[in-house]
Amino acid sequence: DQQVKQNSPSLSVQEGRISILNCDYTNSMFDYFLWYKKYPAEGPTFLISISSIKDKNEDGRFTVFLNKSAKHLSLHIVPSQPGDSAVYFCAASGSGAGSYQLTFGKGTKLSVIP
Amino acid sequence: NAGVTQTPKFRILKIGQSMTLQCAQDMNHNYMYWYRQDPGMGLKLIYYSVGAGITDKGEVPNGYNVSRSTTEDFPLRLELAAPSQTSVYFCASTGQGNQPQHFGDGTRLSIL
Repeated sequence: DQQVKQNSPSLSVQEGRISILNCDYTNSMFDYFLWYKKYPAEGPTFLISISSIKDKNEDGRFTVFLNKSAKHLSLHIVPSQPGDSAVYFCAASGSGAGSYQLTFGKGTKLSVIP
Repeated sequence: NAGVTQTPKFRILKIGQSMTLQCAQDMNHNYMYWYRQDPGMGLKLIYYSVGAGITDKGEVPNGYNVSRSTTEDFPLRLELAAPSQTSVYFCASTGQGNQPQHFGDGTRLSIL
């Protein structure tokens, strides 16, 4: 039973346009959400996070939106650059004691076309 | 800044062999984690540790063992390698539980 779902295995976007990556979750105990970026043969790199007390968090070209009622979050990248081409993982955790384990989605491969 | 260091980067094992995947971090982090990633899948938690001497099972612990004798090191042991354990293994650490985890570059393990 997948608790974190990324339903789009891949996404192609033109350079300079917006990339929108989506993630859905089913566990209502999740209250902390993260996006990781992964290049081939490297480990995941933390990109941006959001706590459930917020509905938006912005860091430069990256913005994460959280819709708790829909159990949905999205990552917006504006403008997209060729160096953004990577696999993006959505992850979630609960903040209760001992529950800092991350549950990951399967990832979305983003290709930014020059 | 070394961060999280995993060794080896690649390894081929025969069925039934054993090995230890090494993980070391130099950030004085209390929390450490082991994940595996199978092709086309997300990362799944094998074991984690909240401090030296304390370990606990994650989602997929069967066939693995861990120990945490120091803050810096968190080795993962495979006792009787099976083909189902062919995967990429990632180690991660964080200073506080609800903070982003920092990952190593992984160990690619094939069991034939």
